[in-house]
Amino acid sequence: AQSVTQPDIHITVSEGASLELRCNYSYGATPYLFWYVQSPGQGLQLLLKYFSGDTLVQGIKGFEAEFKRSQSSFNLRKPSVHWSDAAEYFCAVYSGGGADGLTFGKGTHLIIQP
Amino acid sequence: NAGVTQTPKFQVLKTGQSMTLQCAQDMNHNSMYWYRQDPGMGLRLIYYSASEGTTDKGEVPNGYNVSRLNKREFSLRLESAAPSQTSVYFCASREDQGAEAFFGQGTRLTVV
Repeated sequence: AQSVTQPDIHITVSEGASLELRCNYSYGATPYLFWYVQSPGQGLQLLLKYFSGDTLVQGIKGFEAEFKRSQSSFNLRKPSVHWSDAAEYFCAVYSGGGADGLTFGKGTHLIIQP
Repeated sequence: NAGVTQTPKFQVLKTGQSMTLQCAQDMNHNSMYWYRQDPGMGLRLIYYSASEGTTDKGEVPNGYNVSRLNKREFSLRLESAAPSQTSVYFCASREDQGAEAFFGQGTRLTVV
């Protein structure tokens, strides 16, 4: 069965600093990969996705992620964070085998220091 | 464009009571999902439906039932609520295999 690991439960970053959130997946083939963001009290919003092709994908709000097959990773990055980026971030994987749902990591809570 | 709409947004139940969480999507998606979100656990799939008239169990189906009423609507029922079912419930829909899932705003359920 596929699984997703987000090693960092909490990350604190100063406003204006760079950010990298880690995500590792366990799956035999190349899965479909996603990053979602959840603001407090809200649903999940898609930041970006990787299906195939260029391993560096651009998303909304200035985020990007890089797929590294050799490391089974799909890390999320942003060059300069803003206070509004404080939220919960979820990495998710879909194996493509059917209509069953995405498998989510447990999330990383991002705190922005002024 | 409403997307995925869930009702209610908040609910408090007593142990043993029943209730149905409603979900509707207006994107003509075939697949629909119910997840629960608990602190430190991420989102876990309860049930999903690949098309109208079909449903399948996810990771944590015990204590829940679902109905795919038509292509738009997918409801989740708790027959006899338990405190362990206190959670935030999210409905989602997806167009086809591999496409991203679109989420509702969630239902915060407390069972006392």
